[in-house]
Amino acid sequence: NAGVTQTPKFQVLKTGQSMTLQCAQDMNHEYMSWYRQDPGMGLRLIHYSVGAGITDQGEVPNGYNVSRSTTEDFPLRLLSAAPSQTSVYFCATKSTGLANYGYTFGSGTRLTVV
Amino acid sequence: QKEVEQDPGPLSVPEGAIVSLNCTYSNSAFQYFMWYRQYSRKGPELLMYTYSSGNKEDGRFTAQVDKSSKYISLFIRDSQPSDSATYLCAMIGGSARQLTFGSGTQLTVLP
Repeated sequence: NAGVTQTPKFQVLKTGQSMTLQCAQDMNHEYMSWYRQDPGMGLRLIHYSVGAGITDQGEVPNGYNVSRSTTEDFPLRLLSAAPSQTSVYFCATKSTGLANYGYTFGSGTRLTVV
Repeated sequence: QKEVEQDPGPLSVPEGAIVSLNCTYSNSAFQYFMWYRQYSRKGPELLMYTYSSGNKEDGRFTAQVDKSSKYISLFIRDSQPSDSATYLCAMIGGSARQLTFGSGTQLTVLP
């Protein structure tokens, strides 16, 4: 039982390049989300999904796309990377059947845009 | 102004000390209050949660919520070097349907 798996762990991109951050979970959680963590800013919600085929924007969605075709996977796409997107990205999941506290986080993807 | 304010520290204490970590918030709709612990280069992990006002104790950890003052606290008794981490408060509830995090307090417990 792996929980929440994020790949890659590290990535360096050039400005303007695109890439996809992967998030996979094996807990059958309906809710999946993406956060970015920056110094002094805490964790900020980018996009979230309450089930396959359903996605919505969070606090800082600009420059990112998501889709949810399966329960297990929730990829985050950077369309045209910018230095402001240098950050640590976390995927978090929870079951909608539990109380609101049951979030499980992945170990993160450290992204640098040069 | 951020919805959730948390002193970033860093906070450094000797082993065995009592640690107090705090957050203030502005959204009165918040009902669930959580503390996450994040070790360096790892994802946050849920440490404790409380619903509405009151205290909750789990071993060396005590979480307190004072909704009238919009103030939450996490106390760590007999702190250990293994407690060295960043502690994040988080809240959700009512019309606030997504977790809102504080910026985190970096704690170091010195042996």
